[in-house]
Amino acid sequence: GAGVSQSPSNKVTEKGKDVELRCDPISGHTALYWYRQSLGQGLEFLIYFQGNSAPDKSGLPSDRFSAERTGGSVSTLTIQRTQQEDSAVYLCASSQSVEETQYFGPGTRLLVL
Amino acid sequence: GENVEQHPSTLSVQEGDSAVIKCTYSDSASNYFPWYKQELGKGPQLIIDIRSNVGEKKDQRIAVTLNKTAKHFSLHITETQPEDSAVYFCAASIWGSQGNLIFGKGTKLSVKP
Repeated sequence: GAGVSQSPSNKVTEKGKDVELRCDPISGHTALYWYRQSLGQGLEFLIYFQGNSAPDKSGLPSDRFSAERTGGSVSTLTIQRTQQEDSAVYLCASSQSVEETQYFGPGTRLLVL
Repeated sequence: GENVEQHPSTLSVQEGDSAVIKCTYSDSASNYFPWYKQELGKGPQLIIDIRSNVGEKKDQRIAVTLNKTAKHFSLHITETQPEDSAVYFCAASIWGSQGNLIFGKGTKLSVKP
């Protein structure tokens, strides 16, 4: 079946601009996660959604980062007033519940000039 | 919070040899330990996982061992093949309480033919 999809696959933006990154989870998965992977680094947790519960935003690095999940499916990660240090690969994962395997999408490679 | 250390950062082996990657974690409440393989330009893919009620798990050429007392777990790949070349990440999580994974910084494995 279809896996997790993310768009765009690559995004180049100028410092100070806002960007939106999209994630389509596997159908039926109630849990959705966003991670950030900087060059040569491990994955850093940003935020996760579980069903209709309030999201866990504990990993968001600043108030410039926000995310929403509409209708319990598609999620959008928004970065406002982008900075060069925001350049990274943003990965989305989904799972059937918080106690199930997380499946990752291919990521969005963001470059802030 | 949880902290996961992973060693080595790079590992080069000859085809047919074994490869071992080790991780330690800090939070004794962690009870789920997955390993992901990431190929260039792709998202991480789960290769094996283990829960804290099990000491060892094997799947063909791949095995994971867990020592809860010492708070470390290891990935073992036997009879390595060139297609095993990738970056491998370990992670830890508290299933049933939190959903997010805490990742190690990764090991770049190179298998030379």
